[in-house]
This record gives sequence, C-alpha cells and structure tokens, in this order.
Amino acid sequence: GQSLEQPSEVTAVEGAIVQINCTYQTSGFYGLSWYQQHDGGAPTFLSYNALDGLEETGRFSSFLSRSDSYGYLLLQELQMKDSASYFCAVSGVDSGGYQKVTFGTGTKLQVIP
Amino acid sequence: SAVISQKPSRDICQRGTSLTIQCQVDSQVTMMFWYRQQPGQSLTLIATANQGSEATYESGFVIDKFPISRPNLTFSTLTVSNMSPEDSSIYLCSVEEAGGIKETQYFGPGTRLLVL
Repeated sequence: GQSLEQPSEVTAVEGAIVQINCTYQTSGFYGLSWYQQHDGGAPTFLSYNALDGLEETGRFSSFLSRSDSYGYLLLQELQMKDSASYFCAVSGVDSGGYQKVTFGTGTKLQVIP
Repeated sequence: SAVISQKPSRDICQRGTSLTIQCQVDSQVTMMFWYRQQPGQSLTLIATANQGSEATYESGFVIDKFPISRPNLTFSTLTVSNMSPEDSSIYLCSVEEAGGIKETQYFGPGTRLLVL
C-alpha cells in the first residue's frame, strides 16, 4: 500500500521561510505532488516532482529525493494568506497494479505577524 | 486548468435518505475522481469514474452505497444512499491534468453534507 507522513501543524512568522516535510512509502513511484487548501476551500495544485531535485514556482519550491522517499515544500517570504493546510500526495502503484494517488494527512500552517 | 462546478454546495439531510451530487467540468476529461474529506482530515478516494464503464471503487466503498454515473466526458454524479450521520463530510470531485497526469488534479469546490 501507500502511506505518507507529514507534520500536523507548523507555525511561522510573516516574511520568514518555512519547510514542510513529507516522507512516503509506495510501490512503483511516479511522483510527489503538493496541494494547498484554505479553510472551507477546495484543494489547489501547487507543484509536482517526478525527478530528484528542486522545482521552483515563485515563492514556493518543492524538493524530492527518491532514494530517501522524502520531499518537502518550501514557502518563502511568508504572507498571512499562506495560512492553510498543505497536503503532499504520492503517485504509485496499488496492490492491483493500477496507478493511484494517495494524499497525506495534511500540515496546517499558521502564519503569525 | 479545468474549471469544475459542483451542486449542491451544501445540504442538510435526514438519515435514511439519499443525495445526488453533480460535478460538471468545462472540458472533456477521461477520468473523474470522487473524494471524501472529513473536516480537518485528509482526502480519501471513493472511486474513479470513467466515461462508458463502471466506476472503480476503493477499498471500503461499495457501489450500493455510493452509486456513480458518468454519462459523458464532462459530467458525473455521486449518490450517497441511505445516509447516516457518519456520512457527514465534504464530497469533492476532481479531474486529472490533460494527458492523464494523475499527479496534477483539479478539484471542484466541494459539497458539504450534514446528515441528521
């Protein structure tokens, strides 16, 4: 099966940098994705890593190490609006041999002034 | 990116009744996904809906409880049948990025269901 671990809560100061870690277990790894979800809102796609290394999109970056089954989301120049839940999601192969995406339990980020 | 709408946005239902949730996409997509999310929890995949074939259900979810229709490439419905308070949740539909990239999904706004 597939499983993921990420911290349940993180607090950071406005303007600072925060890193949200994600470790995963899966078979037939395809990639690791990150989603943002504000309270009462729908998840929105942030980034996707299929290969090792860092992907940068504006203030957000995502890193993957396939050998360590580990990734992280890096948020720079934090803004109050970044307060939200962040989910990592792993794409792998389930017991039936089909590609499947499994979401982590989410990290609630609180940005404080 | 796809634009997805869901109806209803929220509902309060009595136990034992059924509710059908509609999901409309602004472009043709091969697969649509139905998720359930308890407040403050992760997203749990209920089933994958392909146009022209029966939906594929995840472990713990059965067709009798969550029948799904997929009449065309832009629309799907999920019915929550014989509801109990345990079915109170947010129900989300999503589609994958064009080209079958499951790692990139676009979600509808969700349907917030409360069962009394």
